[in-house]
Amino acid sequence: GDSVTQMEGPVTLSEEAFLTINCTYTATGYPSLFWYVQYPGEGLQLLLKATKADDKGSNKGFEATYRKETTSFHLEKGSVQVSDSAVYFCALRVSGTYKYIFGTGTRLKVLA
Amino acid sequence: NAGVTQTPKFQVLKTGQSMTLQCAQDMNHEYMSWYRQDPGMGLRLIHYSVGAGITDQGEVPNGYNVSRSTTEDFPLRLLSAAPSQTSVYFCASTESGPGNTIYFGEGSWLTVV
Repeated sequence: GDSVTQMEGPVTLSEEAFLTINCTYTATGYPSLFWYVQYPGEGLQLLLKATKADDKGSNKGFEATYRKETTSFHLEKGSVQVSDSAVYFCALRVSGTYKYIFGTGTRLKVLA
Repeated sequence: NAGVTQTPKFQVLKTGQSMTLQCAQDMNHEYMSWYRQDPGMGLRLIHYSVGAGITDQGEVPNGYNVSRSTTEDFPLRLLSAAPSQTSVYFCASTESGPGNTIYFGEGSWLTVV
């Protein structure tokens, strides 16, 4: 079945460091891909999304490119801030359905 | 600008008690769902609904009931609480169309003792 695998955390970085959080997926058809962010004590919020191969989603300095050939959707940011500390979830929407599959989440901690 | 509203935010239950987590959305979305979030396991789908009067089971439905009498409301009932149901619960609502974005409520922290 469809699945999402993302790197385990926690990831600890210094402010202004480069961030990569890996996400790979297994899916039939043509899923849409998402990154969600969860700040402490809050629900998940959409960070960015891509609906077809080679699309790049971007928001708040974060980017991810839908790579069908490597079945990946890695999250990147050039310069992280303390305020980026949160848990990041990679997710896919199963093609032709409303069903979503989430990864287990990666906790990011950014130190000043 | 309410979006998805869930109540209560925090609840402590004794084993065997029942309760209902309320969820309402004001975006006129047909698809709604309930997830639970446990450490190291991400989000797991409990139940979902594709419209008023229609519900179905997700990945972990045992011990929970849902109903959908209106488009706006989708309550989750714990029938007889067990310690294994200690978790954070999220209600979600999904828009139609390509790239269907999920909108989550703020979560309900439930502890069963």
